[in-house]
Amino acid sequence: GENVEQHPSTLSVQEGDSAVIKCTYSDSASNYFPWYKQELGKRPQLIIDIRSNVGEKKDQRIAVTLNKTAKHFSLHITETQPEDSAVYFCAPRRSGFGNEKLTFGTGTRLTIIP
Amino acid sequence: DTGVSQDPRHKITKRGQNVTFRCDPISEHNRLYWYRQTLGQGPEFLTYFQNEAQLEKSRLLSDRFSAERPKGSFSTLEIQRTEQGDSAMYLCASSLVGGQGTEAFFGQGTRLTVV
Repeated sequence: GENVEQHPSTLSVQEGDSAVIKCTYSDSASNYFPWYKQELGKRPQLIIDIRSNVGEKKDQRIAVTLNKTAKHFSLHITETQPEDSAVYFCAPRRSGFGNEKLTFGTGTRLTIIP
Repeated sequence: DTGVSQDPRHKITKRGQNVTFRCDPISEHNRLYWYRQTLGQGPEFLTYFQNEAQLEKSRLLSDRFSAERPKGSFSTLEIQRTEQGDSAMYLCASSLVGGQGTEAFFGQGTRLTVV
């Protein structure tokens, strides 16, 4: 199965600074790379995803970059705000019938310091 | 509400009792997943349905656990003879087939406490 690791496991940044979280995976056939945000006591919510034919994708203050050769992808949050405080999970996977399950990373707890 | 809904939101049960949870996916979604999440951990995959067919079960899913999706719409997850180690948040998610990869939407979860 897929081995997924995230670094760092905890991250504290000053409000307004940038945060970067890295996800490393083992399955070279993975071709879908989402990031989920989970606030305390709430459901995981998809915030951005990227497919294997794209190297970078940006949506306002968040971006994801992919390096398929090295088997890692990263979440970038710029101009951080207190509401960005949450646990972030990556969940790389293959597409295709029977291969749709998400294997979540170990999670990164991001704390924004006002 | 057109999202994934789960019922109940919270369940407290005594050890040894059976419990059943329900998940109603987004109506047009044909894939449905069950995950379990304990405090401080990421969600762990339990099982997955394509329409009514259960395609994969994790080794985490002991024979005390059973899941069904009889008509390819809602799903139930039953835990028999609950143990304290079953205490967790049980999350359901659904997605739609198509494209290179499909987004999974999660329900609010059912928090199970076994006392």
